[in-house]
Formats: sequence, C-alpha cells, structure tokens
Amino acid sequence: GQQLNQSPQSMFIQEGEDVSMNCTSSSIFNTWLWYKQEPGEGPVLLIALYKAGELTSNGRLTAQFGITRKDSFLNISASIPSDVGIYFCTGTASKLTFGTGTRLQVTL
Amino acid sequence: EAEVAQSPRYKITEKSQAVAFWCDPISGHATLYWYRQILGQGPELLVQFQDESVVDDSQLPKDRFSAERLKGVDSTLKIQPAELGDSAMYLCASSLNTGQNEQFFGPGTRLTVL
Repeated sequence: GQQLNQSPQSMFIQEGEDVSMNCTSSSIFNTWLWYKQEPGEGPVLLIALYKAGELTSNGRLTAQFGITRKDSFLNISASIPSDVGIYFCTGTASKLTFGTGTRLQVTL
Repeated sequence: EAEVAQSPRYKITEKSQAVAFWCDPISGHATLYWYRQILGQGPELLVQFQDESVVDDSQLPKDRFSAERLKGVDSTLKIQPAELGDSAMYLCASSLNTGQNEQFFGPGTRLTVL
C-alpha cells in the first residue's frame, strides 16, 4: 500500500529559528495536506496543496507540492512556543494516507 | 466557527465491555470518517460514510466494530467486546463530499481498555 515517510522524526529548536520538514511517498498523490496535532486533540488542517509545483503560504507556514508528486515540504519561519506539536503530512490518491509525523519542540 | 463534535472525550472500560462513541460532523458535510490513532502513529481510516451509506469499511474489524450514520448526519462507532489492543484515540472527521480532500477533525475520544 501507500507509504508516507516524514523527516525528521523529531526536532528540538529554539524560539525564533526556522523549521523545515518533508514528506516522501512511494506513490504519486493528487493532493498534499499538512496537519498539526497537539496532545490530546485532533489534527488541525494547516495547508492544502492541489497542484504539482504549487507553493502555498499560511502566515509563517509555507508548503510546496513536489514536481514529481511524490513529495512535499513544510517550512515554519520564526518559530514560537505555540508551534509545538506533531506535524503530519497526508496525501490523497483514493483516500487520505497519513505520514509518520514530525514532533516539534520549541525551547525559549 | 463550525466544528466536528465528539463525545465522550475520554472513556475507560474493562475488556469484554461494550463502548460507543458519537460524532456530529460540520453542518452540511456529506462525508464522515472514523479513524483510529495509536499513540505515536498517524490516524488510520476505519470507515467512511457518504451520507448514510458506507463507502469504505475495509479496515474496520467487523467482528467487534460497527458504525452507523442512520440519518446521514451524526454517527456512532461501537466496539463490542472491547479488547486491550483497542486502547487508542478515535477520531471523527468530515468533509463536504467524497473527493473533497480537506477533512476537518474533531477532538477525538481517548479510549483506555483495562
């Protein structure tokens, strides 16, 4: 079946630093979505990408849909403490498949 | 702001007991999903409804799990009997329609089976 690999698995950064994480797939996807999940809560949609090569921003977040349609990256600029959480990439072909997640910790 | 509602937020039960979770999707969303999320992993789809019909239940353990969405609005997921390995977060999500890839998640129900 489809597999999504996210890297890094975890990140420890200082407040104010920029963050970059990516997601690769063994299959082509039609859509890439990035979600953030905080402890004990459901995932919250951050950015949706629908077209190969598309670059989309949402505040301090920027994500791109890879040209090959098998990868995507998410950047967070000037991190703040409330950025802490697990970031999941998801791709859709026939259904939503979640990546393994990147756990982000931000220190003051 | 429209949200997906789930209850209860937490449930502790003993193995072999029956449990039920409820979900109310965002108003107007025709597609409803139930996911199971084991600690440290991403959510995995259990069942998908389009209105009141099941679209995909290929990953639902049908010997003990059942799901219904009788009027095409809210939905119930049941486990009977619960097993220790069922301990997980159960998430409900909704989208406007099947093929609308943007899914919106509820806060989840954390199930602990003792």
